[in-house]
Amino acid sequence: LAKTTQPISMDSYEGQEVNITCSHNNIATNDYITWYQQFPSQGPRFIIQGYKTKVTNEVASLFIPADRKSSTLSLPRVSLSDTAVYYCLVALQAGTALIFGKGTTLSVSS
Amino acid sequence: EAGVAQSPRYKIIEKRQSVAFWCNPISGHATLYWYQQILGQGPKLLIQFQNNGVVDDSQLPKDRFSAERLKGVDSTLKIQPAKLEDSAVYLCASSTTSGTTDTQYFGPGTRLTVL
Repeated sequence: LAKTTQPISMDSYEGQEVNITCSHNNIATNDYITWYQQFPSQGPRFIIQGYKTKVTNEVASLFIPADRKSSTLSLPRVSLSDTAVYYCLVALQAGTALIFGKGTTLSVSS
Repeated sequence: EAGVAQSPRYKIIEKRQSVAFWCNPISGHATLYWYQQILGQGPKLLIQFQNNGVVDDSQLPKDRFSAERLKGVDSTLKIQPAKLEDSAVYLCASSTTSGTTDTQYFGPGTRLTVL
């Protein structure tokens, strides 16, 4: 199973764009890249998922280069409420348990 | 749509005591997962059910942990006897497992403290 590497922590200010990059050098052909967000005292929450190129939803964008060995989660104009731990996961097809790393702790200040 | 429900939210026990956690997944979700999250770490899978059958329990400490999912809906995770290192948040998640990929929906977790 592919292992992911992401920064332990990041700091930002309100209104800035935040980009969190995740490395997954051993990603397999069938693997999807998925990002979850976790607030204190809550379970992780799905943010976005992609296979290649770019995916955008109402919360974030996910950029995946052609070799798929890395991916970047982009959060536009963060607010204080975006302070959380963000996990990058490489998931096989449906029905496979997720393997979490330590995630990236994002701290947003005013 | 109601989310994944878990109870209790908090539990404090002495070591060597027993404890049980309950999970009610989102209606219609065939797959149910139990994860253990130790402070400062990401969640780690303990057991995965597909309907009421076990798909993966390779990381479940079977000498003290047990889980069941009767009738393919609710699930119970039990620890007997508890050890200090079992202090963690126990998360339940469910998914539909339909299509190519799925989204796992997590409950709020049960925070267990073993003294």
